[in-house]
Amino acid sequence: DADVTQTPRNRITKTGKRIMLECSQTKGHDRMYWYRQDPGLGLRLIYYSFDVKDINKGEISDGYSVSRQAQAKFSLSLESAIPNQTALYFCATSDTGQSNEQFFGPGTRLTVL
Amino acid sequence: QKEVEQDPGPLSVPEGAIVSLNCTYSNSAFQYFMWYRQYSRKGPELLMYTYSSGNKEDGRFTAQVDKSSKYISLFIRDSQPSDSATYLCAMTNAGKSTFGDGTTLTVKP
Repeated sequence: DADVTQTPRNRITKTGKRIMLECSQTKGHDRMYWYRQDPGLGLRLIYYSFDVKDINKGEISDGYSVSRQAQAKFSLSLESAIPNQTALYFCATSDTGQSNEQFFGPGTRLTVL
Repeated sequence: QKEVEQDPGPLSVPEGAIVSLNCTYSNSAFQYFMWYRQYSRKGPELLMYTYSSGNKEDGRFTAQVDKSSKYISLFIRDSQPSDSATYLCAMTNAGKSTFGDGTTLTVKP
């Protein structure tokens, strides 16, 4: 079984809809991250959480919110989806070591029409 | 200006070629320098990382860091078609990583 799972893997939705992307991990890591990836723009950090009670904004948090339900679960919500949020979304985890080696999920491809 | 700039590519090389992938950065606080490999339709996976300046070798892969020039490189020797992927550099400070935009490599048989 995969260490970091994301659901759904693909989602098509309409402008204005609320959507939630879910991430679960079995690695026992405290740190979790949400990124989006767009062609030519690399990985951009949306939100990150260093433990269950810690939530921090990344470089592109506008239009997104998150919930850290447990050590193993970290959800990303789009309250009112818009077309420029069409992207590939990745969840990642890391332990508390300085190197911050990250382990990524398989990604969710989101299309907002 | 971005904190991390990566040579954009794409790169296309014949099998067996030596490949050089490069990134520059502006934040001197970065301590760990990493290379991730991302196959199509997959999440990135850590290939190797280096702490501070110097070289690190792992099989056909060599990571090189020059902190004085704020420049890092990944060399792939005897490249194989299975090396075809997008390579992302990443740099870490205070528990957060900043990624380059990625370079897509195609190794042709």
